[in-house]
Amino acid sequence: DAGVIQSPRHEVTEMGQEVTLRCKPISGHDYLFWYRQTMMRGLELLIYFNNNVPIDDSGMPEDRFSAKMPNASFSTLKIQPSEPRDSAVYFCASSPGPKPQHFGDGTRLSIL
Amino acid sequence: ELKVEQNPLFLSMQEGKNYTIYCNYSTTSDRLYWYRQDPGKSLESLFVLLSNGAVKQEGRLMASLDTKARLSTLHITAAVHDLSATYFCAVITGGTSYGKLTFGQGTILTVHP
Repeated sequence: DAGVIQSPRHEVTEMGQEVTLRCKPISGHDYLFWYRQTMMRGLELLIYFNNNVPIDDSGMPEDRFSAKMPNASFSTLKIQPSEPRDSAVYFCASSPGPKPQHFGDGTRLSIL
Repeated sequence: ELKVEQNPLFLSMQEGKNYTIYCNYSTTSDRLYWYRQDPGKSLESLFVLLSNGAVKQEGRLMASLDTKARLSTLHITAAVHDLSATYFCAVITGGTSYGKLTFGQGTILTVHP
């Protein structure tokens, strides 16, 4: 089975640009999660969806961040406009209900 | 607010030695997970602990949970170099907040020959 697929793997862009991160969860998983990992703050849950519906977005840092899940096989995390402090590794994870989450390989984002 | 604290944050071990990583959390939780992360890689699920007194073992790693003390331990037996990684515990609150997984800071384990 294919795991959680994230794209791009690496993204380097200039401050002020729009950034879109993409995630394809494991088929059949009804929960999808977006995390951010930095040295200073560790792993933080940004938002999660259940059956494509956002359940908790309290971890989304600012209005510059938005996430969507238009169908069961695709989700996006968008940052507009991007800032250098958004540089981090962004992970997408999915799970079939209350089971361990399966993580993607992450997107390493650098904002110059 | 749920807080999860790991101890120690850095652990340097010799091969063949035993050691324990501790994970304390601040509020009642339905379940606790342990994950492993290799440098530059994704997170891999190791254990899920669901009830007080739960113990899970895989190879040289054994995890346990004491919900009354709000403490989980990850015990490493006869460490080998391949165990070098960062280990995270993560706690979840149940009910309608099922998905809110809070991670500890991570313990960076280095095993030396």
